Amino acid sequence: EPEVTQTPSHQVTQMGQEVILRCVPISNHLYFYWYRQILGQKVEFLVSFYNNEISEKSEIFDDQFSVERPDGSNFTLKIRSTKLEDSAMYFCASSLLSGGLTDTQYFGPGTRLTVL
Amino acid sequence: DAKTTQPTSMDCAEGRAANLPCNHSTISGNEYVYWYRQIHSQGPQYIIHGLKNNETNEMASLIITEDRKSSTLILPHATLRDTAVYYCIVRAPSGNTPLVFGKGTRLSVIA
Repeated sequence: EPEVTQTPSHQVTQMGQEVILRCVPISNHLYFYWYRQILGQKVEFLVSFYNNEISEKSEIFDDQFSVERPDGSNFTLKIRSTKLEDSAMYFCASSLLSGGLTDTQYFGPGTRLTVL
Repeated sequence: DAKTTQPTSMDCAEGRAANLPCNHSTISGNEYVYWYRQIHSQGPQYIIHGLKNNETNEMASLIITEDRKSSTLILPHATLRDTAVYYCIVRAPSGNTPLVFGKGTRLSVIA
């Protein structure tokens, strides 16, 4: 069964450093998402991406964050200058279609980001 | 904020049916009810979704009341591996609508 994959599973970085989290969505999916979950808190939406541009973003997704689909398979989340409060699990998700029909988002296993 | 209300926690004996309730009294006519679960800190796992009719798949059944103001997720024969946080999410059908997670129900399956 196709699945979303994410690398690395755990990333440790120093405050102020840049990190790139990588995701490989399900191959025929068209919409891509990033969510995060701070330890003990809810899963929160960050951004959605379609046709090589951001579709929607939350207030969490400020100028320190960026997303990119550098090739036909990868989808990345970059945090330019990490802060302690960026420590969280980051989940990538993808879904097949859009346009007035409900579609199901499938999540990857997550990357645990620890900012020291 | 999440548009759903779920009990904080529930216990279920292994092998018995687990019935997880969800209230969504403000649901709109075109909004779907989705269920996901999260085991430990793994990625949320899709379980099932529905609009009006009851739905069943290999994982679970979803029973939606006629007025659509509440629903119940049924795991017919709970196993220890079903121990997880279960999220009930109401979502508009337009393509890339983000999922809004609440705190969910922590289901503990007990041997």
